Amino acid sequence: AQTVTQSQPEMSVQEAETVTLSCTYDTSESDYYLFWYKQPPSRQMILVIRQEAYKQQNATENRFSVNFQKAAKSFSLKISDSQLGDAAMYFCAYRSPDGTSYGKLTFGQGTILTVHP
Amino acid sequence: KAGVTQTPRYLIKTRGQQVTLSCSPISGHRSVSWYQQTPGQGLQFLFEYFSETQRNKGNFPGRFSGRQFSNSRSEMNVSTLELGDSALYLCASSTRTGGYGYTFGSGTRLTVV
Repeated sequence: AQTVTQSQPEMSVQEAETVTLSCTYDTSESDYYLFWYKQPPSRQMILVIRQEAYKQQNATENRFSVNFQKAAKSFSLKISDSQLGDAAMYFCAYRSPDGTSYGKLTFGQGTILTVHP
Repeated sequence: KAGVTQTPRYLIKTRGQQVTLSCSPISGHRSVSWYQQTPGQGLQFLFEYFSETQRNKGNFPGRFSGRQFSNSRSEMNVSTLELGDSALYLCASSTRTGGYGYTFGSGTRLTVV
């Protein structure tokens, strides 16, 4: 079974600074998807960024980028120019290849990000 | 377009009762997944439905069940509620494969007393 580990229960950053959230995972599959989700106090999980394992290029979405190291099974999220609205719980998630394990995301335990003005 | 809608937002039930939660996916999304979120166990996958068929199921007791209707709306039911069922229940919808990510609703907060 796949597992996802987020080793940082809490992180903090100053507004406009950069912060990196860590995620490692364990899998024997070669093709899969990785996601970062954000959950603010409103409770809704919001997709931040996705990465397909077969793509070596790191995904980027505006101020959010990932460092995907497939061999090391590492998938960290970098938030640049942090904003107060970035404060939330961040979850790393793994999904098996298409056609298997339908609908199932395996989540890490989450990292609470605090942004200081 | 409208997002994933979950109703009700809050629910308080007594031990031994049963409860039904509803989820309306994004228009065009035919896959609906359900998750239970608790402080102790985190986010755990319950089950997934596509075209009214359950394609995948997590490791939960048979008291947890679900179904999906022809319009892709889904319901989950928990029978004989236990205190430990208190949680935030989230549903997520996606296209057929989900490779582009899942869109979540705001969840139903269930409290069992």
